[in-house]
Amino acid sequence: DQQVKQNSPSLSVQEGRISILNCDYTNSMFDYFLWYKKYPAEGPTFLISISSIKDKNEDGRFTVFLNKSAKHLSLHIVPSQPGDSAVYFCAASASGNQFYFGTGTSLTVIP
Amino acid sequence: GAGVSQTPSNKVTEKGKYVELRCDPISGHTALYWYRQSLGQGPEFLIYFQGTGAADDSGLPNDRFFAVRPEGSVSTLKIQRTERGDSAVYLCASSSGTGSGSPLHFGNGTRLTVT
Repeated sequence: DQQVKQNSPSLSVQEGRISILNCDYTNSMFDYFLWYKKYPAEGPTFLISISSIKDKNEDGRFTVFLNKSAKHLSLHIVPSQPGDSAVYFCAASASGNQFYFGTGTSLTVIP
Repeated sequence: GAGVSQTPSNKVTEKGKYVELRCDPISGHTALYWYRQSLGQGPEFLIYFQGTGAADDSGLPNDRFFAVRPEGSVSTLKIQRTERGDSAVYLCASSSGTGSGSPLHFGNGTRLTVT
């Protein structure tokens, strides 16, 4: 049973515009959420995280929003750049135990 | 400081053989995780260590899979009697501790192909 879901396998965005990647989860015990970026033949790279006590965390062009009542989080990238083209995974954990990952969204930023 | 190092980067083996995959975590990181990723899927949890002990091995698919971390640093994932279904990228990650606020830092993985 997939506890973390990314329902959009792919997304294309024009350079300079906003990219919004979405993630849903089912386990209400999750208290820590992360986004990872993955290039081919490399391991996932940590991007940004958010604790369940917050509803927003911002780091430069990247902002993560958490809606606990909807069990939904999103990653906003603005402005999008061609180098942002990669597969993005969201992940979640409950009290720092095993991390559950979504199936990923492939983002293409068109120059 | 170096990141997480995994060796070999690629491993091709015949069905039924034994393989060992090595992970060298970031220095000082107490928690170490093994994940497996198949094509088109997200990383799937296998096992994690806190220090030398396996804190959670619930993700190991069966008793052909075993992992050790004898000195609380380097870890080895061992797969006996390999099957074609074991073919995947095996990812290792480490973190400075468990609990919120400790993201995982991944290596580049070992691509295992069982022929």
